[in-house]
Amino acid sequence: EPEVTQTPSHQVTQMGQEVILRCVPISNHLYFYWYRQILGQKVEFLVSFYNNEISEKSEIFDDQFSVERPDGSNFTLKIRSTKLEDSAMYFCASSEARGLSYGYTFGSGTRLTVV
Amino acid sequence: GEDVEQSLFLSVREGDSSVINCTYTDSSSTYLYWYKQEPGAGLQLLTYIFSNMDMKQDQRLTVLLNKKDKHLSLRIADTQTGDSAIYFCAGLGDSSASKIIFGSGTRLSIRP
Repeated sequence: EPEVTQTPSHQVTQMGQEVILRCVPISNHLYFYWYRQILGQKVEFLVSFYNNEISEKSEIFDDQFSVERPDGSNFTLKIRSTKLEDSAMYFCASSEARGLSYGYTFGSGTRLTVV
Repeated sequence: GEDVEQSLFLSVREGDSSVINCTYTDSSSTYLYWYKQEPGAGLQLLTYIFSNMDMKQDQRLTVLLNKKDKHLSLRIADTQTGDSAIYFCAGLGDSSASKIIFGSGTRLSIRP
């Protein structure tokens, strides 16, 4: 079964450093998403991306965050200057289209720890 | 915007049925989903229901939707230790919506 792959599985970074979280969506999917889950809290929407541009973003997704699809396969989330409160599990997801009955396919996540 | 609420914990005995409940606010939600998250793992889609359905059964899983009360439930029959996980209710708005909104998750634990 096709999978969404995320790397690394765990990233530790110092406060103020830049991090790039990487995702390889399913190859025929057109819509891409980032979600995050702070320990013990809800899974929160960050951003959706389609046709090489952001479709929608949440209040969390401020100027410190950016997304990119640098080539035909990768989808990245960059945090420019990490803060302690950015520590969370970050999930990438992809879908073939919007409004689907079968939802999104999620990766297994990258646990980001900011120290 | 959409808000999805769930109780945080549920403990059941192995072999019994588990019922996980969820309420949502957006009456235009077209699809409602149940995702499962095992420890250290990602979010696995278990099942979904379209908003014009009242019930959907898929092997041990039964989803019930009460649109009037905006209440969704997931019943797991013959609960096994492998069912221990966090279960997330999630909703997708209308067909143009670009994001799924998740509840806080219900942690299901199984007693022997």
